[in-house]
Amino acid sequence: RKEVEQDPGPFNVPEGATVAFNCTYSNSASQSFFWYRQDCRKEPKLLMSVYSSGNEDGRFTAQLNRASQYISLLIRDSKLSDSATYLCVVRGNTGKLIFGQGTTLQVKP
Amino acid sequence: DAGVIQSPRHEVTEMGQEVTLRCKPISGHNSLFWYRQTMMRGLELLIYFNNNVPIDDSGMPEDRFSAKMPNASFSTLKIQPSEPRDSAVYFCASSSPPEQYFGPGTRLTVT
Repeated sequence: RKEVEQDPGPFNVPEGATVAFNCTYSNSASQSFFWYRQDCRKEPKLLMSVYSSGNEDGRFTAQLNRASQYISLLIRDSKLSDSATYLCVVRGNTGKLIFGQGTTLQVKP
Repeated sequence: DAGVIQSPRHEVTEMGQEVTLRCKPISGHNSLFWYRQTMMRGLELLIYFNNNVPIDDSGMPEDRFSAKMPNASFSTLKIQPSEPRDSAVYFCASSSPPEQYFGPGTRLTVT
């Protein structure tokens, strides 16, 4: 079993749609959680950290459920520019980041 | 602010040649990470340093790979000898924990 698992997609949605990505992690000792975004042929970029209370940044909402070891990312009112691969990332107590394989989103006009 | 700087951005070399990838982390960050990304295997951590000291190199594929961090502002990843299966994008990232920031990567092609 992979340490961080994501549905690879692709998710194909029209502009304006709401889309949700899910992620599960296996190590209950994991301490920090993130979503990164990676555009084609570019480096991963930090999208947002994920806090236990849930957090929102504009159209993006992240949720963490420690009991279920589950992380989610909700994107509202999708834009064409949201098309990218979204990486679920977990940081363990050793300081290493463990990346999921990524979920590909394609927003179409 | 300057982000993580990597050089070269692209490298094409022949099998058997030595390849050296370079990284300058963000000033003030005390952790540095080397990753490799391929379509098949995704993003893999090769090695990371805390305060210039290697902490975990369990991801280094084999003895052909070596990494150094002689000071807080510079690191190298060396492959000697290179093989076609080393073709990938190599990312360097730096961190003032817990978040990491990636450089633009070096796209390595070994023919």
